[in-house]
Amino acid sequence: QKEVEQNSGPLSVPEGAIASLNCTYSDRGSQSFFWYRQYSGKSPELIMFIYSNGDKEDGRFTAQLNKASQYVSLLIRDSQPSDSATYLCAVNMRLSSASKIIFGSGTRLSIRP
Amino acid sequence: ETGVTQTPRHLVMGMTNKKSLKCEQHLGHNAMYWYKQSAKKPLELMFVYNFKEQTENNSVPSRFSPECPNSSHLFLHLHTLQPEDSALYLCASSQPTGANTGELFFGEGSRLTVL
Repeated sequence: QKEVEQNSGPLSVPEGAIASLNCTYSDRGSQSFFWYRQYSGKSPELIMFIYSNGDKEDGRFTAQLNKASQYVSLLIRDSQPSDSATYLCAVNMRLSSASKIIFGSGTRLSIRP
Repeated sequence: ETGVTQTPRHLVMGMTNKKSLKCEQHLGHNAMYWYKQSAKKPLELMFVYNFKEQTENNSVPSRFSPECPNSSHLFLHLHTLQPEDSALYLCASSQPTGANTGELFFGEGSRLTVL
């Protein structure tokens, strides 16, 4: 079983709609969870992090965490063409000391006008 | 100065060469990382350093040799590489503890081609 799993996509969503990205993880002891966005030819950049069960909203982005189900999701409302990118789910699998951050393979999102 | 700087941005080397990748961070972080990103593969964690001490070696072949002389600098020494080692090598830094534990700040990467 992979440590962090995502559907590779591509996920195609019409402009203005909600894009829903999902991620599952294997280490039940993981404490912090991240969504990174990576444009083609660029480095990943953090867009959201979440530690507690439930929802966390930041502008058009909402991260959802369910530790019992070992599931993390990212919702993007009012999708824009500029949201077209690969979205990487990442999990910090260490409680203390330096972080051990494992990434999923990413979901490629395409927003069609 | 940008947050995390990697040099060189592009590197072409033969299988018998020895070269090094350099990473420098100006964010005051104490943890630094090397990741490998190959086409159609997820980001692979290679090494983690915390306060200059290596805390993670993710079963990386010995032809990759990391060095962390201080919390701001990280090197990846390369020797007798294979063509399958061609990839984008990303350096990142973070604060090891605290509310944002695990938020990584990436450099722009070093694109390595092994002939």
